[in-house]
Amino acid sequence: DMKVTQMPRYLIKRMGENVLLECGQDMSHETMYWYRQDPGLGLQLIYISYDVDSNSEGDIPKGYRVSRKKREHFSLILDSAKTNQTSVYFCASRPDWGYEQYFGPGTRLTVL
Amino acid sequence: GEQVEQRPPHLSVREGDSAVITCTYTDPNSYYFFWYKQEPGASLQLLMKVFSSTEINEGQGFTVLLNKKDKRLSLNLTAAHPGDSAAYFCAVSVHSGTYQRFGTGTKLQVVP
Repeated sequence: DMKVTQMPRYLIKRMGENVLLECGQDMSHETMYWYRQDPGLGLQLIYISYDVDSNSEGDIPKGYRVSRKKREHFSLILDSAKTNQTSVYFCASRPDWGYEQYFGPGTRLTVL
Repeated sequence: GEQVEQRPPHLSVREGDSAVITCTYTDPNSYYFFWYKQEPGASLQLLMKVFSSTEINEGQGFTVLLNKKDKRLSLNLTAAHPGDSAAYFCAVSVHSGTYQRFGTGTKLQVVP
């Protein structure tokens, strides 16, 4: 059963603090994604990773960076979080042989 | 780049009625189309994937229509039931399949 995990599920941080969101998948998918979801805006692509150390900016990369040192792990980092980064963050992965994406359960981040 | 517009943002129907959600897209190179279902507080689950070679796809209790001439994708839930209450998102991808552009979502409520 294909599975994408995310940790933590809920996080509250103060403005200016650093944030680390973790994503894992056990399917050896090469391509992984980070999205944020805000009410009325659907999913917006932050970063895409094609494999280890092969990352590209998505539509809204400002204020975020990513790290992928192992194929099964993809991290999203917020250096000095801002209140407008309060959102639900989803990680996804895509099988090499298909086009659909498999989503993790999401992380609800609140920046106070 | 690709723009995907989804309508309506909210939809309320009675149990047993049909519900239609429509997405329009702009990129003529769009080739793969997806519908995802997101139940409250949950992640996105793939409902159906459609390739541009097929214009009508049927699933359990729903039909997906693709009109390539008008660049329109629709999801028709026939005889909706309360378990269909969720947010629905369309997504469109060009031939490479790497990126998916998401619609802004439709929150469907099925009233008993």
